[in-house]
Amino acid sequence: GAGVSQTPSNKVTEKGKYVELRCDPISGHTALYWYRQSLGQGPEFLIYFQGTGAADDSGLPNDRFFAVRPEGSVSTLKIQRTERGDSAMYLCASSAQGGLEQFFGPGTRLTVL
Amino acid sequence: LAKTTQPISMDSYEGQEVNITCSHNNIATNDYITWYQQFPSQGPRFIIQGYKTKVTNEVASLFIPADRKSSTLSLPRVSLSDTAVYYCLVGDPGDSSYKLIFGSGTRLLVRP
Repeated sequence: GAGVSQTPSNKVTEKGKYVELRCDPISGHTALYWYRQSLGQGPEFLIYFQGTGAADDSGLPNDRFFAVRPEGSVSTLKIQRTERGDSAMYLCASSAQGGLEQFFGPGTRLTVL
Repeated sequence: LAKTTQPISMDSYEGQEVNITCSHNNIATNDYITWYQQFPSQGPRFIIQGYKTKVTNEVASLFIPADRKSSTLSLPRVSLSDTAVYYCLVGDPGDSSYKLIFGSGTRLLVRP
């Protein structure tokens, strides 16, 4: 079946702009995660949804970052007033009910100029 | 969450067996050991998971000694396509947040 998909694959924006990154999880997966990965580093946890609610948002770096999952499926990561330091690969993952086996999407490469 | 330590990089040649060892001295009783593989410009991919002794699947084997303070991922007869970053993670699948904590991983380069 279809895996996790993310759009866009690449996003270039200017400092101060607003961006939205979309994640389509595997159908039926209730758990959804967002991670951020900088060059040469491992992915860093941002936020975890179980169903429609954010069960753990402790990884969001500041209040410019926000994520929603209104119907318990597709999720959108929103970044306001982007800064050059936000440039990274943003990865989405889903799993059937949480746990250590997560299925990752291909990521969105965000570049803030 | 237990911290893990693994080599920054490893080199190998096609056809060889590669063993990547990970240290996790503070592993908790309920923690499992999980390995992920990541190719450039792709998201990580789950490879294998274990609690103790030995686990084998079609991709790799995972060896865990009795004290569980370390583990070894074994890749038999590697090919060029096994060139990737390999991450060792430790966590409790019963943890309510289930977030994965990645280190910097081991960059494996397989040469012809």
